[in-house]
Amino acid sequence: AQSVSQHNHHVILSEAASLELGCNYSYGGTVNLFWYVQYPGQHLQLLLKYFSGDPLVKGIKGFEAEFIKSKFSFNLRKPSVQWSDTAEYFCAVNAQNAGNMLTFGGGTRLMVKP
Amino acid sequence: DTGVSQDPRHKITKRGQNVTFRCDPISEHNRLYWYRQTLGQGPEFLTYFQNEAQLEKSRLLSDRFSAERPKGSFSTLEIQRTEQGDSAMYLCASSSQPLYRGEKLFFGSGTQLSVL
Repeated sequence: AQSVSQHNHHVILSEAASLELGCNYSYGGTVNLFWYVQYPGQHLQLLLKYFSGDPLVKGIKGFEAEFIKSKFSFNLRKPSVQWSDTAEYFCAVNAQNAGNMLTFGGGTRLMVKP
Repeated sequence: DTGVSQDPRHKITKRGQNVTFRCDPISEHNRLYWYRQTLGQGPEFLTYFQNEAQLEKSRLLSDRFSAERPKGSFSTLEIQRTEQGDSAMYLCASSSQPLYRGEKLFFGSGTQLSVL
């Protein structure tokens, strides 16, 4: 069965610091990869996704992620975080053999200090 | 886009009682999903509907859980004989295309269930 690991449960950064959140998955076949974000008091929403093509994908609010197939990774990055990026971030995978099931990682809580 | 709406937002019940949650997806979305999220964890897939057909179910969905989408629009999730371990946030999501095409899910705000 597919699984997703997010290495950092809690991250605290100061504004303007760079961010990288790790995500690894366990499935050797074709995958679609997603990062979802949940801002305080709001519902989950898509930040960015990889479906095919360029492994470096750009999302909303200056976020990007790189799919490295050989490392089974899809790390999320942002060069300079803002206080408004304080949220919980979830990596998710849809594997080719998993139908319409999206498997989520445990999430990373990011706090950005002003 | 009125979004995915879920009702109620919060439900407190006693162990052994039955509860039912409702989800109204985005109107033009024919695909609907239920997930469960416990504290400190990511959402876990429960079940998937395409129109009124329940096509996929997780092993997490025990016999006490039943989901329906009778007319291919709103959906209900019922939990019978609730247990304390059922306490969680129940999330509904919808989409217009299947996940394997890279489609994103639109999530509702969830129903927080507390079983006493």
